[in-house]
Amino acid sequence: DAKTTQPPSMDCAEGRAANLPCNHSTISGNEYVYWYRQIHSQGPQYIIHGLKNNETNEMASLIITEDRKSSTLILPHATLRDTAVYYCIVRPANQAGTALIFGKGTTLSVSS
Amino acid sequence: ETGVTQTPRHLVMGMTNKKSLKCEQHLGHNAMYWYKQSAKKPLELMFVYNFKEQTENNSVPSRFSPECPNSSHLFLHLHTLQPEDSALYLCASSQEGRVYYEQYFGPGTRLTVT
Repeated sequence: DAKTTQPPSMDCAEGRAANLPCNHSTISGNEYVYWYRQIHSQGPQYIIHGLKNNETNEMASLIITEDRKSSTLILPHATLRDTAVYYCIVRPANQAGTALIFGKGTTLSVSS
Repeated sequence: ETGVTQTPRHLVMGMTNKKSLKCEQHLGHNAMYWYKQSAKKPLELMFVYNFKEQTENNSVPSRFSPECPNSSHLFLHLHTLQPEDSALYLCASSQEGRVYYEQYFGPGTRLTVT
């Protein structure tokens, strides 16, 4: 079973920031938080990951609370192409051969 | 993204047919995975291969048979499938042994069983 809880859907206006929350209250000390997204009928795409510090890359920012029980993925300027299902996943580090377990994710709809 | 390729992209087969799905990764990874995604359902892990050895079989029916001849290629052999097996089949790869990892997915094979 997925160890995260996400809202089933969210809407965002084009050009605005999209903030996608994730609850992972049972996260262990050695587990990373990963975010992936899946555009309709394509394979999932890696976005970002973090352990306890906030992270930023060219796609998004990841804000992890100090107690690590929740996080927020931020798309600073959402575009129509960001419409997708976003998955928040926790996985231990160094656990060889253990696949990602996907939940239902959040369907983000970006509109003009 | 061309790091992980899958063929064919679309497949229609009857319940008595035998077919194979192919996945190839060009990233030098040492682990490969098969996932199944049925309509409006989360991705379901089917098989995991780590260094060509199958390390996980997620209670998948025997009509699905994986094969991993080397660390770059992964096959899913299909026989006597049921209509409920119609789904998007996704292949992924990763490099195990790092502290963190990214799993790279292929574009998937859309399978329809008639």
